[in-house]
Amino acid sequence: NAGVMQNPRHLVRRRGQEARLRCSPMKGHSHVYWYRQLPEEGLKFMVYLQKENIIDESGMPKERFSAEFPKEGPSILRIQQVVRGDSAAYFCASSPQDEQYFGPGTRLTVT
Amino acid sequence: AQSVTQLGSHVSVSEGALVLLRCNYSSSVPPYLFWYVQYPNQGLQLLLKYTSAATLVKGINGFEAEFKKSETSFHLTKPSAHMSDAAEYFCAVNQGGKLIFGQGTELSVKP
Repeated sequence: NAGVMQNPRHLVRRRGQEARLRCSPMKGHSHVYWYRQLPEEGLKFMVYLQKENIIDESGMPKERFSAEFPKEGPSILRIQQVVRGDSAAYFCASSPQDEQYFGPGTRLTVT
Repeated sequence: AQSVTQLGSHVSVSEGALVLLRCNYSSSVPPYLFWYVQYPNQGLQLLLKYTSAATLVKGINGFEAEFKKSETSFHLTKPSAHMSDAAEYFCAVNQGGKLIFGQGTELSVKP
């Protein structure tokens, strides 16, 4: 059983461009979570999704950020018009029930 | 709201010495608690979890943690540190599906 897959592993974007981060959960997991790890900060929850539904987006910035988990395909975290402050590691996790299993992360650098 | 506090952002031990990483939680309901480990430039790996079945929880790589309700603690221990244990460790509590993380403790192991 493959683990949680994230791609790309590294992403470089110029200010103002869009960033798309993909996450494929473990087989059989229907819950997906996105977290952000900023330099010198801990891990912060962003959004919790199930197939075609956003369950909790209390950690998402109000503007420029969106997430989806379609019926088919990976979950996508989309950041529009990126700014330098968006540079961080973004982790996806999937869960069958209680524990969450994390992917290797996407490291976004905004130049 | 639930929260976790990790005492000590950096802990250094000698190889073979006891490892003790501290975590205190705040929760108005019986918590689900987790310890994760993160190696450099990697995702988080689940070490162990507490879900109210037993107060002493054994995890992978020789780690264990004891849930103490009277002290609201869930400290992580390992009897004998190994060089490969050097990493960052995160305590987390489950709040409505999402994980709330502590700030992390970086463990260094000296030869």
